[in-house]
Amino acid sequence: EVQLVESGGGLVRPGGSLRLSCAASGFTFSTYSMSWVRQAPGKGLEWVSSISSSSGDIYYVDSVKGRFTIFRDNAKNSLYLQMNSLRVEDTAVFYCARGTLGTWHNWGQGTLVTVSS
Amino acid sequence: DIQMTQSPTSLSASVGDRVTITCRASQDTSTYLNWYQQQPGKAPKLLIFDASHLGTGVPSRFSGSGSGTDFTFTINSLQPEDFATYYCQQYDNLPYTFGQGTTLEIK
Repeated sequence: EVQLVESGGGLVRPGGSLRLSCAASGFTFSTYSMSWVRQAPGKGLEWVSSISSSSGDIYYVDSVKGRFTIFRDNAKNSLYLQMNSLRVEDTAVFYCARGTLGTWHNWGQGTLVTVSS
Repeated sequence: DIQMTQSPTSLSASVGDRVTITCRASQDTSTYLNWYQQQPGKAPKLLIFDASHLGTGVPSRFSGSGSGTDFTFTINSLQPEDFATYYCQQYDNLPYTFGQGTTLEIK
């Protein structure tokens, strides 16, 4: 069974940093592209970033470019999102998702990031 | 960026009804269009990919159609567990973008 478990969310001050992790199991992690998708409280879904299986292709939504870094460790079956210079508007539940670069067949339960002073 | 517009944004229906949601893209996305279901407090679930292909384990009462800029999502014979929010999403161009969502409520 495919399992994706996010961690690392929490409360952080504006301008602060946070690293999210996603532990994957139940599939051959190294052969799948992975993505982060977020959802602000009471709002819709927003794609954040994607990384190909070998990390050769990486993409970001414009609003996080230069602030967020997606990376993965295939030996540890883990996906990460390093978030720097966090803003109030980054407050959201962040989901880890598995699939092709634009289609996500499996999702984690999400981790909440709250940016507030 | 490609803008995705869903209609209606909310919908009331009864168990057993047939409902249809439409999604319009601001430019041609071919059939690079997915539909997701999200229950309150839960992660999204992929229902339809490539505009018309049923996701793994998804009941056949769900269907999708369309290409280019106009897409349709239909649920035949609504079940109690179908009351949720539905999102369309394009993946023809970066950034991948979602519609604003359609909330399906029990009448």
